Amino acid sequence: DGGITQSPKYLFRKEGQNVTLSCEQNLNHDAMYWYRQDPGQGLRLIYYSQIVNDFQKGDIAEGYSVSREKKESFPLTVTSAQKNPTAFYLCASRKQGAGEAFFGQGTRLTVV
Amino acid sequence: EDKVVQSPLSLVVHEGDTVTLNCSYEVTNFRSLLWYKQEKKAPTFLFMLTSSGIEKKSGRLSSILDKKELFSILNITATQTGDSAVYLCAVDLYGNKLVFGAGTILRVKS
Repeated sequence: DGGITQSPKYLFRKEGQNVTLSCEQNLNHDAMYWYRQDPGQGLRLIYYSQIVNDFQKGDIAEGYSVSREKKESFPLTVTSAQKNPTAFYLCASRKQGAGEAFFGQGTRLTVV
Repeated sequence: EDKVVQSPLSLVVHEGDTVTLNCSYEVTNFRSLLWYKQEKKAPTFLFMLTSSGIEKKSGRLSSILDKKELFSILNITATQTGDSAVYLCAVDLYGNKLVFGAGTILRVKS
């Protein structure tokens, strides 16, 4: 089945540790996105990538990093510089120049 | 800075009521506007609007875009408890940036 897969679904980390969230898609989409969602709020854009080896900062990129070495994969690293990393993280992908974005099921990160 | 503002932030209605959700935007390089429904985890796509004044309709849901006044509305008629969700508006920009609003939390009481 074609789709977008995020892993893990739940992640617990100690404060001060870096953590990497996985996002893989087999839809042959060029564009990929990372969003953060806090309780009762909408989606805030962290980073996005239009093609392999290229990505742009979104509105809340501080404390996060990404890479896009393969078309299928767009991992997000939450670094220790991110002051309040506990949140729900959603990855999305879509065709270049097309409207609808497809979402993964999300990763809920809790930092203790 | 690209901004998408949704209102109201939350809404409680009774089954059978009609609701109107609003989305206004201030962005550069507008390409289209999208509506999503989020019930638990992954948002699901409802509509994409690119032209002013053309209503998109799917069952009890409909949406329209006004590119002059920079807003869109999402209407839900004869609401059901299954319509309870977060409704998200997003603006798609040339250059592939996709910016979401804060969402409207809709609760439909039986």
